[in-house]
Amino acid sequence: KAGVTQTPRYLIKTRGQQVTLSCSPISGHRSVSWYQQTPGQGLQFLFEYFSETQRNKGNFPGRFSGRQFSNSRSEMNVSTLELGDSALYLCASSIRTDKYEQYFGPGTRLTVT
Amino acid sequence: EDQVTQSPEALRLQEGESSSLNCSYTVSGLRGLFWYRQDPGKGPEFLFTLYSAGEEKEKERLKATLTKKESFLHITAPKPEDSATYLCAVRGNEKLTFGTGTRLTIIP
Repeated sequence: KAGVTQTPRYLIKTRGQQVTLSCSPISGHRSVSWYQQTPGQGLQFLFEYFSETQRNKGNFPGRFSGRQFSNSRSEMNVSTLELGDSALYLCASSIRTDKYEQYFGPGTRLTVT
Repeated sequence: EDQVTQSPEALRLQEGESSSLNCSYTVSGLRGLFWYRQDPGKGPEFLFTLYSAGEEKEKERLKATLTKKESFLHITAPKPEDSATYLCAVRGNEKLTFGTGTRLTIIP
């Protein structure tokens, strides 16, 4: 069974630009979550989607948004990029939300200059 | 707010030297506690899920246990390939909250 895939794997953007990251979950998984990982803060929760509906959202500014499509694929968007947005963005999928384990993709490394 | 604290931050062991990693947590409505392994530049790899106090899970040289306030990841006779960062996470009512991890180095 194929794992979680994320595209692109690496991205370099300039301050003020916007970026869209994509995530394809494991086949049959209907929940997708997004995390930001930095050396100082560790893994921080961004949002969680299930059946195209955002179920939970972390403490990030409104510049961070996401969506999930009917095939469970998900995208997240960051507008007006800041230097502090440089991080590894990880997507994880699970069968459902709540108590089920999440399986992570390899991440997208975003560098903002 | 849910909180997860892992200790120690870093641990260096000789090959074959057994030890334990600690994960202390506070959570409203524990739905599950999860252990992950993360190698540099990669996404976390799922290891175990524990749901209730007293539960134990094993996989090769790793054994995870759970009490009402903490979880332990015991590593027995580790090998160099066990070197990685081990992350603990708890699922409360709303989301998965991660600790900052224990960076484990096994010296041949």
